[in-house]
Amino acid sequence: TQLLEQSPQFLSIQEGENLTVYCNSSSVFSSLQWYRQEPGEGPVLLVTVVTGGEVKKLKRLTFQFGDARKDSSLHITAAQPGDTGLYLCAPRASGTYKYIFGTGTRLKVLA
Amino acid sequence: GAVVSQHPSWVICKSGTSVKIECRSLDFQATTMFWYRQFPKQSLMLMATSNEGSKATYEQGVEKDKFLINHASLTLSTLTVTSAHPEDSSFYICSASLQGASSEQYFGPGTRLTVT
Repeated sequence: TQLLEQSPQFLSIQEGENLTVYCNSSSVFSSLQWYRQEPGEGPVLLVTVVTGGEVKKLKRLTFQFGDARKDSSLHITAAQPGDTGLYLCAPRASGTYKYIFGTGTRLKVLA
Repeated sequence: GAVVSQHPSWVICKSGTSVKIECRSLDFQATTMFWYRQFPKQSLMLMATSNEGSKATYEQGVEKDKFLINHASLTLSTLTVTSAHPEDSSFYICSASLQGASSEQYFGPGTRLTVT
């Protein structure tokens, strides 16, 4: 079983603030996906990163894959209430086809 | 594109009965579908991998005789919870993978199962 940690687990911030969510492991991953899930719904894919050191931007969201492909971060600039949700990282271990889900970061952005 | 649907969206059943949940890929063919379970305030836990035309691969600790999975076509996989008990109450989510298991997964909206 691979150890996958997401931090922080909970985050409550004011609208307009910036935040970073981390996804860490001791294992090397072939790729990693970030999802956002709202209550009672399935996760929605935000991005897939594949190359070590890769940075992808999706409007106010910036995703980075660590150089060694063991960790990733999600940075949100000027958070808005619509960003509220559960953010999940899901890396795929090398040599497998399955994605492992982190514990998630529950974000609440207050207006 | 890459839309996945689930039916029903929620179901309430009595203890001892069986419930079938459908997962459909609407605009693509999915050779591989995955079934997850999510308890309140927790992350997703993979239950099994469903491959079209072959037997599903179950994760450790998941009873294959209790959670029957059928993937009869490239657009449909079903999960049947047999002899359901209250502890099976959970949020069941499927995902479908484009171009086989090695590609990205797209999730359905989930099915809320409550066993009374």
